[in-house]
Amino acid sequence: QQQVKQSPQSLIVQKGGIPIINCAYENTAFDYFPWYQQFPGKGPALLIAIRPDVSEKKEGRFTISFNKSAKQFSLHIMDSQPGDSATYFCAAILTQGGSEKLVFGKGTKLTVNP
Amino acid sequence: EAGVVQSPRYKIIEKKQPVAFWCNPISGHNTLYWYRQNLGQGPELLIRYENEEAVDDSQLPKDRFSAERLKGVDSTLKIQPAELGDSAVYLCASSLVFSGQFSGNTIYFGEGSWLTVV
Repeated sequence: QQQVKQSPQSLIVQKGGIPIINCAYENTAFDYFPWYQQFPGKGPALLIAIRPDVSEKKEGRFTISFNKSAKQFSLHIMDSQPGDSATYFCAAILTQGGSEKLVFGKGTKLTVNP
Repeated sequence: EAGVVQSPRYKIIEKKQPVAFWCNPISGHNTLYWYRQNLGQGPELLIRYENEEAVDDSQLPKDRFSAERLKGVDSTLKIQPAELGDSAVYLCASSLVFSGQFSGNTIYFGEGSWLTVV
């Protein structure tokens, strides 16, 4: 059961471009939406995250846009650099009774060409 | 501060053989997770511990997978016997969770144990 749907599967942009990765969810009980960045041979690392009561969050060159009514959220990378080439995962967290469940999208492989 | 440490990093075994992975979480973290990541896919939760208790093991294939977290610190994940379809990266993660308080932004992952079953 795919609880978080992510697109596109892969993305190629030129340096300075603005890649956009989209995610959609169904379960309105999710209460936190993180994005993870994963380089080859490494574990996922938290990049940025947003709560559903916020429409936008920006940290450096990374921005999350959140549309609660549409149950969609997206990651924008401003002025992308070759070092941003990695796989990006959106995720959603469900908190129940003090415990947390984290579910991931299938990932987007981003390539930023110099 | 050391991150989540996993070993071995790489393991190649023949099918039907057993294999075990070890995880040392970040010091002080009470919650430990084991995820499996297939090639080109997102991580999928296998089991989650809060201290020594397995609070979510619904996705763990219990016929061949087992896990333990003795003394609420280190954890081991075992597969016996391994099948070809078990080839994947096994990720351990940890976080500090306070009952009733959300802390979703503090889940830290190790570099993973890469398993190839031949």
